Amino acid sequence: KAGVTQTPRYLIKTRGQQVTLSCSPISGHRSVSWYQQTPGQGLQFLFEYFSETQRNKGNFPGRFSGRQFSNSRSEMNVSTLELGDSALYLCASSLVSRGLLGSYSPLHFGNGTRLTVT
Amino acid sequence: KNEVEQSPQNLTAQEGEFITINCSYSVGISALHWLQQHPGGGIVSLFMLSSGKKKHGRLIATINIQEKHSSLHITASHPRDSAVYICAVSLVTQGGSEKLVFGKGTKLTVNP
Repeated sequence: KAGVTQTPRYLIKTRGQQVTLSCSPISGHRSVSWYQQTPGQGLQFLFEYFSETQRNKGNFPGRFSGRQFSNSRSEMNVSTLELGDSALYLCASSLVSRGLLGSYSPLHFGNGTRLTVT
Repeated sequence: KNEVEQSPQNLTAQEGEFITINCSYSVGISALHWLQQHPGGGIVSLFMLSSGKKKHGRLIATINIQEKHSSLHITASHPRDSAVYICAVSLVTQGGSEKLVFGKGTKLTVNP
């Protein structure tokens, strides 16, 4: 079974531009969550999608957005890029929604997209 | 104060040693995860637990809900165990969905 696939692996953008990152979950997984990892802040939760609906959002500005398609693939978009947005962006998929109490399933992470903003 | 505290931040061991990494949290949680991240970024989920103890090969994870504390143990450590180990807790929001809060990680180096 193929793992979680994130594209692209590396991206270089300039300040003010926008960027779209893609995540294809493991086949059959309907929950996709996104995370930002920086040396200073570590890993931080961005948002989670389940069945095309955003179920939860972390403390990030509105420049960070996402969506999920009917095939469970997800994209995240960052508009008006800032230098501080340089980070490793990771997505993870799981079988069921993270929010159904008692129905937790393990997370499967992709290898991430390393975004550099210059 | 961070909601999730890990110790130590860095750990160097000799091959074969028994290793313990600790995680303390300050809020009520529904589950706790131990993750492993190798250089290059890929993250592997090692354990997800809400009570008791789990074992997988040379790895053991325990959690004490009353004390809000979890430990990850590695027996007979090997250089290939060198990685960053991250503790994360699942918080359930009022809306019934979940968000993960992460510790800063423990960088483990196992020397041959």
